[in-house]
Amino acid sequence: GAVVSQHPSRVICKSGTSVKIECRSLDFQATTMFWYRQFPKQSLMLMATSNEGSKATYEQGVEKDKFLINHASLTLSTLTVTSAHPEDSSFYICSAAPRGSGELFFGEGSRLTVL
Amino acid sequence: GENVEQHPSTLSVQEGDSAVIKCTYSDSASNYFPWYKQELGKRPQLIIDIRSNVGEKKDQRIAVTLNKTAKHFSLHITETQPEDSAVYFCAASIGGAAGNKLTFGGGTRVLVKP
Repeated sequence: GAVVSQHPSRVICKSGTSVKIECRSLDFQATTMFWYRQFPKQSLMLMATSNEGSKATYEQGVEKDKFLINHASLTLSTLTVTSAHPEDSSFYICSAAPRGSGELFFGEGSRLTVL
Repeated sequence: GENVEQHPSTLSVQEGDSAVIKCTYSDSASNYFPWYKQELGKRPQLIIDIRSNVGEKKDQRIAVTLNKTAKHFSLHITETQPEDSAVYFCAASIGGAAGNKLTFGGGTRVLVKP
């Protein structure tokens, strides 16, 4: 199957700093990627839809200035958590589907811990 | 927007027994319903999916049924094994393809006891 890769898998940062998470589709082009957040023992909550070459579409309640999304190429989307605070600590997962594919592939996820 | 409810939240079964997880959705326009298995700390993996033009689909020990009228769909795992222990998520989307926005259910933690 198709491969979606995320980096870093784990990151610990101090409160107030910014953290960038990368999501790459390794063997297919993705005009659309999705960013999810998952708190412990909870479901995946869609944060935003990343669109190549245009602005991301954010879900209700997600601050676009806090969670900056850039989709500059057909294989890379980045999520930057700006001025991170402890409540931003979570598991962030991206996903994408090859064009015409019947399956959505997820990245490995990035566990963010804000101290 | 779409809302997906999933039950039960936890399910404990004896090895060899069957497990059933049920989901309901709110948007009648939804037409793609995948199921994902997520092991602790790992990414979700698609295990089976169904589209609205089909009422049932089976893949070895796993089957999914869809009732469009009632807006609910279910996952059935037969002859459960310890390696089936994981969290299972149902999801729904409009557009009939995985590339469309998915709304996930709350998840079901399945424990298969040897």
